[in-house]
Amino acid sequence: RKEVEQDPGPFNVPEGATVAFNCTYSNSASQSFFWYRQDCRKEPKLLMSVYSSGNEDGRFTAQLNRASQYISLLIRDSKLSDSATYLCVVNEADSWGKLQFGAGTQVVVTP
Amino acid sequence: EADIYQTPRYLVIGTGKKITLECSQTMGHDKMYWYQQDPGMELHLIHYSYGVNSTEKGDLSSESTVSRIRTEHFPLTLESARPSHTSQYLCASSPRISQETQYFGPGTRLLVL
Repeated sequence: RKEVEQDPGPFNVPEGATVAFNCTYSNSASQSFFWYRQDCRKEPKLLMSVYSSGNEDGRFTAQLNRASQYISLLIRDSKLSDSATYLCVVNEADSWGKLQFGAGTQVVVTP
Repeated sequence: EADIYQTPRYLVIGTGKKITLECSQTMGHDKMYWYQQDPGMELHLIHYSYGVNSTEKGDLSSESTVSRIRTEHFPLTLESARPSHTSQYLCASSPRISQETQYFGPGTRLLVL
């Protein structure tokens, strides 16, 4: 079983709509959670960290559910430029500084 | 914007050649990482370093080797390239103290013929 699992999508979203997706992680001892964004043939870039209480950054909202071991990302008022693959990232609880990356959820925003 | 650089960006090379992929960062980060990523697949950690003279193998077995003689420099070497090494190689770095956020370089796309 993979440590971090994501629905690969694609999620086809009309411009202006809201899209949300989850990822699940297997290690209950993980403490750090992130969403990264990766454009086609580019490097991953940090989108936002995910905090226990949930957090918002503009049109992006991240939530953490420790009991069910999943994190979510919601994108409001989708823009064409939001089209990308969103990577769910979780730290390895017993190994300082190492991260586990999900395979990503592809989002395609259409005009 | 992260100051982490990789060269070359693209490399096409024949089987059996020795290659070195360069990675440098100017942020003074102690931790550095090499990942391998095939199209549409997740990143796999192949090497990491927590500081000068520290190198460890990652989760994915790799025939490559790394060195960390200077904080800012973390090159990856393949002694004898094979077609199975064709992939994208991404270098990342992270500050030492508590923060685990990793910043990525632009990657090197390697094609071994």
